[in-house]
Amino acid sequence: DAGITQSPRHKVTETGTPVTLRCHQTENHRYMYWYRQDPGHGLRLIHYSYGVKDTDKGEVSDGYSVSRSKTEDFLLTLESATSSQTSVYFCAISDSEHTEAFFGQGTRLTVV
Amino acid sequence: AQKVTQAQTEISVVEKEDVTLDCVYETRDTTYYLFWYKQPPSGELVFLIRRNSFDEQNEISGRYSWNFQKSTSSFNFTITASQVVDSAVYFCALSELRYSSASKIIFGSGTRLSIRP
Repeated sequence: DAGITQSPRHKVTETGTPVTLRCHQTENHRYMYWYRQDPGHGLRLIHYSYGVKDTDKGEVSDGYSVSRSKTEDFLLTLESATSSQTSVYFCAISDSEHTEAFFGQGTRLTVV
Repeated sequence: AQKVTQAQTEISVVEKEDVTLDCVYETRDTTYYLFWYKQPPSGELVFLIRRNSFDEQNEISGRYSWNFQKSTSSFNFTITASQVVDSAVYFCALSELRYSSASKIIFGSGTRLSIRP
């Protein structure tokens, strides 16, 4: 299995609070991705990174920011959590533009 | 812009039936990659197959087969003699090879497949 660890695995937070999700890889892969999964919407790309300090927006980036200061870590931050950000968040990694992505176990975030 | 459409939201079949999951994609690029993933009830995402845009040869792996047709922009997935363990959500995905910017993998909305005993 690809070495991807998401933390925390579960989190309940209150509306308006900041939240940071962490994705850690041990594969030295170039690409890292954050997706959210919601019923009826499948997997939607939030942000992705193609190298240290190189990030770009995905389909649903509003309300989220990311940082990648090291190859192995990709952080997703919700500056002020809203109930609409209740979701399951998946991190993924891939070696290059033309290889498959491997996914972490997911983080279930509930904003109350 | 790249887009993946899985029009079948849910499919339910009886065990041992064959079932085909449809995937239609949109891209402006000539070089791209297509993927299928499986998400069983346990929730993890499992990679099944990758296909590049220059390889239209169909692929078979056991009871699974994939039909890639560039003429119709489709990459369909067939399960032959379905089994209860095939019950899962299946996702189709697309990645464009961009030389001027980074690539990203975009997923369809998924098809929930239920196999009834």
